[in-house]
Amino acid sequence: EADIYQTPRYLVIGTGKKITLECSQTMGHDKMYWYQQDPGMELHLIHYSYGVNSTEKGDLSSESTVSRIRTEHFPLTLESARPSHTSQYLCASSHYRGDREETGELFFGEGSRLTVL
Amino acid sequence: KNQVEQSPQSLIILEGKNCTLQCNYTVSPFSNLRWYKQDTGRGPVSLTIMTFSENTKSNGRYTATLDADTKQSSLHITASQLSDSASYICVVSDRGSTLGRLYFGRGTQLTVWP
Repeated sequence: EADIYQTPRYLVIGTGKKITLECSQTMGHDKMYWYQQDPGMELHLIHYSYGVNSTEKGDLSSESTVSRIRTEHFPLTLESARPSHTSQYLCASSHYRGDREETGELFFGEGSRLTVL
Repeated sequence: KNQVEQSPQSLIILEGKNCTLQCNYTVSPFSNLRWYKQDTGRGPVSLTIMTFSENTKSNGRYTATLDADTKQSSLHITASQLSDSASYICVVSDRGSTLGRLYFGRGTQLTVWP
């Protein structure tokens, strides 16, 4: 079992609410990611981080923001949730080798399923 | 355009039977290919990784193959079990960008019936 945890697992909220999805890993991995996954579709990268104080936007435009103040913690925040944000959010981490090849195995959390009414 | 295509989209087999899942990719330059298993409501878990020089690799009842010339990979599951019911995702990594990137297929949803 991978040591990466997401909370909450399920969240149902109303439009306009602020939400934070938590993600923590105890493996000491430098690189962390947030993916969005809809049924039957591929995972889309929305944010990633190479280490503390490093955050980058992914391929899929997202209104969410992330922070990386500690190596083990990579929370995702939505300031004002909308129904279009309804989705499964997966956090992952990997060991960053610092070279050109992304060969590291991704370790995923259990996911946070967000429903915005 | 770099893409990863998986087939079939879904598959139903009886317990004990074998099956093969396909992954075709156009990612270039190629670095490696991973197969992940994602149980319903869980995060994906890596099954195996294939690099350019590898043709086949086994992990228990799972055997992955790679043909780098035709840019095709397959995942063969032998003597299927009910616990094999899951989505199987093919993920290809390139080495073209500075730090590499990952391309995900949409997955094959496998259902094993008793």
